[in-house]
Amino acid sequence: DAGVIQSPRHEVTEMGQEVTLRCKPISGHDYLFWYRQTMMRGLELLIYFNNNVPIDDSGMPEDRFSAKMPNASFSTLKIQPSEPRDSAVYFCASSLVAGRNSPLHFGNGTRLTVT
Amino acid sequence: AQSVTQLDSHVSVSEGTPVLLRCNYSSSYSPSLFWYVQHPNKGLQLLLKYTSAATLVKGINGFEAEFKKSETSFHLTKPSAHMSDAAEYFCVVNEENTGFQKLVFGTGTRLLVSP
Repeated sequence: DAGVIQSPRHEVTEMGQEVTLRCKPISGHDYLFWYRQTMMRGLELLIYFNNNVPIDDSGMPEDRFSAKMPNASFSTLKIQPSEPRDSAVYFCASSLVAGRNSPLHFGNGTRLTVT
Repeated sequence: AQSVTQLDSHVSVSEGTPVLLRCNYSSSYSPSLFWYVQHPNKGLQLLLKYTSAATLVKGINGFEAEFKKSETSFHLTKPSAHMSDAAEYFCVVNEENTGFQKLVFGTGTRLLVSP
């Protein structure tokens, strides 16, 4: 299995531009998670999906952030408009089932820089 | 509410010496506990997990951790450090009181290994 695939690996954009991050989870995994990692705040859960349905988006920082999962093999995280404080590494992860025994499988992340 | 505290932000060891990365947790329910490792520019990878079976858990790359309920600890150890162990390590707790998986990550411990 190729694992969780994220694109792009790096994104540099100017303040005010729209940014779209992409994720392909591991086939057969029912859960998909978006995390943000910064030096100041560590790893933060932004949103997660179960069977393509958003379950908990309480971690999404503002209305500028939105996430979709149109099918079981694809998800996007969009920031519009982007701001310098959005600069971070964004990780997508997937999990086979809910529950205590199910670890997360992470992609390699997208490093976002907003100037 | 659940939480996890990693007591050291950095740990430095020499190659061939033992590794100890400390983690304490707080949980209202019987927790699941995990250690993840993150190498530079990579996503997080599961090292090991505790899910109420044996209290001494063995993971990949020679790492192990012991769940001590009386001390609310889940410290990560390895008898002999290797240069390739240099990375950031995250202790993670999961409570399944809602039926949905929601992990809480520690702030991470950066392990430095010198020759």
